[in-house]
Amino acid sequence: EAGVAQSPRYKIIEKRQSVAFWCNPISGHATLYWYQQILGQGPKLLIQFQNNGVVDDSQLPKDRFSAERLKGVDSTLKIQPAKLEDSAVYLCASSLQGAKTYEQYFGPGTRLTVT
Amino acid sequence: AQSVSQHNHHVILSEAASLELGCNYSYGGTVNLFWYVQYPGQHLQLLLKYFSGDPLVKGIKGFEAEFIKSKFSFNLRKPSVQWSDTAEYFCAVNGGNTGGFKTIFGAGTRLFVKA
Repeated sequence: EAGVAQSPRYKIIEKRQSVAFWCNPISGHATLYWYQQILGQGPKLLIQFQNNGVVDDSQLPKDRFSAERLKGVDSTLKIQPAKLEDSAVYLCASSLQGAKTYEQYFGPGTRLTVT
Repeated sequence: AQSVSQHNHHVILSEAASLELGCNYSYGGTVNLFWYVQYPGQHLQLLLKYFSGDPLVKGIKGFEAEFIKSKFSFNLRKPSVQWSDTAEYFCAVNGGNTGGFKTIFGAGTRLFVKA
């Protein structure tokens, strides 16, 4: 089966610019996750969708980050405006249902550098 | 708040040596536990998981982990490592019914196996 697709793979922007990332989960997976992984740290959940509804966005900096999952399939994550501390790898993952019992399948990630 | 601690950030072993990577979590309720692995240039993928039952779980490639509830630990083991086990290993915890479905990852342990 095809895996989780993400684009772009790399992005370099200046601070205060905006950027958007795209994710297409594995077909049939109801749950989609966006993680931020800063160098030297583990992935941190930003937002979790169940179909097209938000399950958890408690760690999403809502003043600058936004995410949507229209039609319950693919998703976009946007940062506007970006800060230096947003430099990280942004991972998208999906699972059949919630992460409690189902393993998460991760995409290759988007490496963002903010200068 | 839930947290996950991985004791070693970097581990260097020779081939055929035994491996044990420590993982401790802080959460008082029912937990689901995972070890994920990221090989060089590849995506994060599930190594093994524990939900209930036998506290000794076996995963892919000869890895196993033991859940010790009294110690809040879920250490990863392998009796004899191979050069191909060189990777970064992440312990992750999901806080069961009362903790919601958010998965918390540790900071990761980079393992280098010398041929």
